[in-house]
Amino acid sequence: GQSLEQPSEVTAVEGAIVQINCTYQTSGFYGLSWYQQHDGGAPTFLSYNALDGLEETGRFSSFLSRSDSYGYLLLQELQMKDSASYFCAVRDSGGYQKVTFGIGTKLQVIP
Amino acid sequence: DAGVTQSPTHLIKTRGQQVTLRCSPKSGHDTVSWYQQALGQGPQFIFQYYEEEERQRGNFPDRFSGHQFPNYSSELNVNALLLGDSALYLCASSLQLGQAAKNIQYFGAGTRLSVL
Repeated sequence: GQSLEQPSEVTAVEGAIVQINCTYQTSGFYGLSWYQQHDGGAPTFLSYNALDGLEETGRFSSFLSRSDSYGYLLLQELQMKDSASYFCAVRDSGGYQKVTFGIGTKLQVIP
Repeated sequence: DAGVTQSPTHLIKTRGQQVTLRCSPKSGHDTVSWYQQALGQGPQFIFQYYEEEERQRGNFPDRFSGHQFPNYSSELNVNALLLGDSALYLCASSLQLGQAAKNIQYFGAGTRLSVL
């Protein structure tokens, strides 16, 4: 089976940098994804890491260490609109695309 | 290009009833996954459809069933509804690419099901 752990809540100041960590335990692993979900909205894809290292997409970066079963999402130059829930998700080891989501980290950006 | 569309947006049912939720995937996508999201929780995988067959299933009872049509659209059926089935039901579409692919899932806005 799969299990993921991430902090339930994080608060950060507008303009600052915040890091959301995710650790996972899986029977197999093909990659770690990050999704953003605003209240009442649909989850939207942010980033995906299959190999160790850092992936950068604008203000968002994601890191993976397969040996440590650990990853993080880094949000820079925080904006008020970044207030949302952020989910890490592991792609199943099977031949298809089952994805297991963490419980989510609710980020609150304050002025 | 339309994204993933789900219907209805909201639904109220009573215990014991049956419900059907519908999903149209993003244009060009061939794979549909269904998730249940309880309040304050992450989406929980129900099952995935590809080539009109259920390919993988999460830890959900047989009361949850589905179907995929030749045009790749999909339905989720839940029988004998329980109070605990109240949740947001999300449909996600993707391409059945190789294992090295990013596996980006595009989600619909969901159907909010309330069971009274």
